[in-house]
Amino acid sequence: RKEVEQDPGPFNVPEGATVAFNCTYSNSASQSFFWYRQDCRKEPKLLMSVYSSGNEDGRFTAQLNRASQYISLLIRDSKLSDSATYLCVVNPNSGNTPLVFGKGTRLSVIA
Amino acid sequence: ETGVTQTPRHLVMGMTNKKSLKCEQHLGHNAMYWYKQSAKKPLELMFVYSLEERVENNSVPSRFSPECPNSSHLFLHLHTLQPEDSALYLCASSQDFLAANQPQHFGDGTRLSIL
Repeated sequence: RKEVEQDPGPFNVPEGATVAFNCTYSNSASQSFFWYRQDCRKEPKLLMSVYSSGNEDGRFTAQLNRASQYISLLIRDSKLSDSATYLCVVNPNSGNTPLVFGKGTRLSVIA
Repeated sequence: ETGVTQTPRHLVMGMTNKKSLKCEQHLGHNAMYWYKQSAKKPLELMFVYSLEERVENNSVPSRFSPECPNSSHLFLHLHTLQPEDSALYLCASSQDFLAANQPQHFGDGTRLSIL
């Protein structure tokens, strides 16, 4: 099982749609979780941290299920500007690897 | 505006050339990282420096040589690279190494092409 696994997409959705991304991680000792956003040919930027109780930031909601080793990101009322690749990122809490990145899920929001 | 700056943004070099990538962070962080991002692959961690000391991690070919002269600057020296080394090279920093709940902040990256 890969350390961090995501559906690569692409997800093509119309403006205003709700879209959900899922991510699974293999190391049950993992302690921190993040979603990053990466625009085409740009650097990854932190979108939000993921907390055990779930957290929301405007149109974005992140959820963590430790028992299933599963993280999700929900985007409501999609905007054209949400088009990007969304990276699931995990701190595995083992060895000397601070963060492990998923391959990313590509989202295209269409007018 | 990013707190981590990288130069150059683009670099084209031959396999026999020697060049260096530079990274500077203005965030007062203690840890700095080099990553490689190739098409359709996740980010690969290359090197980590914590408090200016290199942390042993993934094996990286010796044609890549990092240098961290102080906590704000990080270099990646390149020599006799191969075509498969063409990629986006990203520098990142975080407040501390291996601490929980600390995200990393990335520079714009250097897009490297080996001819």
